[in-house]
Amino acid sequence: SQQGEEDPQALSIQEGENATMNCSYKTSINNLQWYRQNSGRGLVHLILIRSNEREKHSGRLRVTLDTSKKSSSLLITASRAADTASYFCATDAGGTSYGKLTFGQGTILTVHP
Amino acid sequence: DAMVIQNPRYQVTQFGKPVTLSCSQTLNHNVMYWYQQKSSQAPKLLFHYYDKDFNNEADTPDNFQSRRPNTSFCFLDIRSPGLGDAAMYLCATSRDAWGRNEQYFGPGTRLTVT
Repeated sequence: SQQGEEDPQALSIQEGENATMNCSYKTSINNLQWYRQNSGRGLVHLILIRSNEREKHSGRLRVTLDTSKKSSSLLITASRAADTASYFCATDAGGTSYGKLTFGQGTILTVHP
Repeated sequence: DAMVIQNPRYQVTQFGKPVTLSCSQTLNHNVMYWYQQKSSQAPKLLFHYYDKDFNNEADTPDNFQSRRPNTSFCFLDIRSPGLGDAAMYLCATSRDAWGRNEQYFGPGTRLTVT
């Protein structure tokens, strides 16, 4: 079964607004990662948060992790038209998984100029 | 620049005609992955290699095979493509399988089956 589920499936905002995407997962994890995918392209790694971390920042990105609720959120502040893309969370279950990631279904973000 | 390269970017093949997709990396990473991504869906892991240790996912169809002849190259073979195999195929690498295992993706090969 799908490990990660993302919410909302689609998000449409105006430039300058903040965008928040949520991810829920089912099993324990070693870390959780967020990726961006522009239409028809490969995925780009954004940020990794370990299971013992609660919050991480990278530029305009803020990621939180609540392992008790098995959920994570990605906040993009002061969004730009160039942020328009699909955003995926991915979980690493650790152990003998050889770094395998299980991706959520993704959130399609559209930022209007 | 160090990167993950996939060739070709677009591949058209006929129903049942074998096709091979290629991936190379200049990152010197230990782990390589092949994903299948259909329209508006999450990437689905098909295979991964830790060095030359090969692992296929339990639900990867037998129609798909993979080869990693050396650290830099990895190939995906589709023996008899069906219409349902039309998808974007993504290659990715990670430095290691544990700890910081963020993945670096190539641009993908879009496969069309006619």
